[in-house]
Amino acid sequence: DAKTTQPPSMDCAEGRAANLPCNHSTISGNEYVYWYRQIHSQGPQYIIHGLKNNETNEMASLIITEDRKSSTLILPHATLRDTAVYYCIVRANSGYALNFGKGTSLLVTP
Amino acid sequence: GAVVSQHPSRVICKSGTSVKIECRSLDFQATTMFWYRQFPKQSLMLMATSNEGSKATYEQGVEKDKFLINHASLTLSTLTVTSAHPEDSSFYICSARKRGPVFGRETQYFGPGTRLLVL
Repeated sequence: DAKTTQPPSMDCAEGRAANLPCNHSTISGNEYVYWYRQIHSQGPQYIIHGLKNNETNEMASLIITEDRKSSTLILPHATLRDTAVYYCIVRANSGYALNFGKGTSLLVTP
Repeated sequence: GAVVSQHPSRVICKSGTSVKIECRSLDFQATTMFWYRQFPKQSLMLMATSNEGSKATYEQGVEKDKFLINHASLTLSTLTVTSAHPEDSSFYICSARKRGPVFGRETQYFGPGTRLLVL
């Protein structure tokens, strides 16, 4: 699996957009970019995933660069409940075990 | 959406006893389930992969005789921690694979976790 690099922590003001970056410069052509988050003492929650095109759902948007070497998860209007550790995972198929790195600890402040 | 449940949510047991944790996919069938373990301030670590009707595949360093996994049906997998010791105290999380409409577009959904404390 391609390795990912994320900043260890970020802050965001409530109501603002939270932009979480992820570098995956060794990504292969058949690998997807998955984003999960883990709120304290809970199981990880699936957010979004994509291959080449930008994706959007009710939770977030995923912007993947044209060379696919990096991506950004966007939470358009962060709330206090979005405080969590966000994991960017590159995998050919999410159906197989996921390799969780250290992720980015996002703190949304009032 | 897809819902995965775990039971119990937390358990306290005495050293030397066995504890069973259940993982269920509530609204979809899961041919594959995974068991992870998470120690405080650390990330999730895969313990084993559980396939319905076959033996589980364990990660290196995980004792298969200590962590018994049974995937009896398409919606249920169980993890039994046998002869638990204080060092087994951890947050145990299961996940289930849900097939998508297109091959390869599968998504993994996680349970809420079970916190085990061994005294």
